[in-house]
Amino acid sequence: DAGVTQSPTHLIKTRGQQVTLRCSPKSGHDTVSWYQQALGQGPQFIFQYYEEEERQRGNFPDRFSGHQFPNYSSELNVNALLLGDSALYLCASRLRDRGYEQYFGPGTRLTVT
Amino acid sequence: TQLLEQSPQFLSIQEGENLTVYCNSSSVFSSLQWYRQEPGEGPVLLVTVVTGGEVKKLKRLTFQFGDARKDSSLHITAAQPGDTGLYLCAWEPSGGGADGLTFGKGTHLIIQP
Repeated sequence: DAGVTQSPTHLIKTRGQQVTLRCSPKSGHDTVSWYQQALGQGPQFIFQYYEEEERQRGNFPDRFSGHQFPNYSSELNVNALLLGDSALYLCASRLRDRGYEQYFGPGTRLTVT
Repeated sequence: TQLLEQSPQFLSIQEGENLTVYCNSSSVFSSLQWYRQEPGEGPVLLVTVVTGGEVKKLKRLTFQFGDARKDSSLHITAAQPGDTGLYLCAWEPSGGGADGLTFGKGTHLIIQP
């Protein structure tokens, strides 16, 4: 049973560019959340997708957008990259309204130069 | 937004020693989760506490939820090098499994052989 997978593992981009990160949830899970984790900090909630719609959003600008596909996989898009967007981007999946446990992927390390 | 304060921020101890880390807030938690994150990995859920005064044990780890549900502690007995990692507490506003998590900044724990 595969857990949460994310791609790519590492990515280097230049300021002003756009990036797309991908996540496949754990088998049987229908809800995907994205988090940003700066170095030495705890993860910060970006948004959550369920039934292909954004259901909840944290305090992130519109440059951050996402999508969920019918197979529950998800993408995180960041436009007009800033140096401050350099971070570990984590995807987490869960079965909605079925308890607290959610599973995190290993993350994508994004470096903006 | 309810803030979670974790202490200490950093802790380095010898193998075999005991330690306690803390998670505090000025507001009442509906529930609280503890995660451990190892380098290059996503956070892994250790436990969820829900009831004030609740104590849960996971091998050498003991988790306690304050009576007033404003604080929580994690105690590790006879620490081992494998316990090294970032310990995060997290809160879910609704407590029902449908919200994004708010994380503390974490305690960086190093157990030296």
